[in-house]
Amino acid sequence: GNSVTQMEGPVTLSEEAFLTINCTYTATGYPSLFWYVQYPGEGLQLLLKATKADDKGSNKGFEATYRKETTSFHLEKGSVQVSDSAVYFCALSDPGTGFQKLVFGTGTRLLVSP
Amino acid sequence: DAGVTQSPTHLIKTRGQQVTLRCSPKSGHDTVSWYQQALGQGPQFIFQYYEEEERQRGNFPDRFSGHQFPNYSSELNVNALLLGDSALYLCASSLVSRSSGNTIYFGEGSWLTVV
Repeated sequence: GNSVTQMEGPVTLSEEAFLTINCTYTATGYPSLFWYVQYPGEGLQLLLKATKADDKGSNKGFEATYRKETTSFHLEKGSVQVSDSAVYFCALSDPGTGFQKLVFGTGTRLLVSP
Repeated sequence: DAGVTQSPTHLIKTRGQQVTLRCSPKSGHDTVSWYQQALGQGPQFIFQYYEEEERQRGNFPDRFSGHQFPNYSSELNVNALLLGDSALYLCASSLVSRSSGNTIYFGEGSWLTVV
């Protein structure tokens, strides 16, 4: 079945450091890929998405490129801030069922210190 | 524009009891899905409702049931609660589409603790 694998956390960085969170997926067909962010005590917010190969999603300084050849969708940010501290979830949308549902990775906690 | 709203935000139940969680989708959305997020884990798909019918179901027992109303709002019911049902329950809304790229919006969730 479809699945998403994320790097284990926590990822601990100093402010202004470069961030990479790895995400790879297994899917039949051509899924859409998403990054969601969860701040402490809150629900999930969509951070960015990409719907086809070589698409780059971007938002709030975060970027991720849909790489079909490596089945990856790694999240990057050039300079993190303390306010970026949260849990980040990579997810794919199963395209084959006619109704959209998400398959999530286990999440990666990011801790940014001043 | 109201987003996805859920109630209650927190609740505590005893093993064996039943619980009902409620969700109102984002304005204009017609599809509601429910996810269970255990502590330290990613959300797991429970089921999805469209046109008041269950359209997809994840790997959850029949103790988990749901309903969608004509105004698109939804309920999640869990019977015979187990300690392992303690989790954050997330409601998600979207517009029905055979495209996989539509954005799915999530509510803040309902924290259920079973003691």
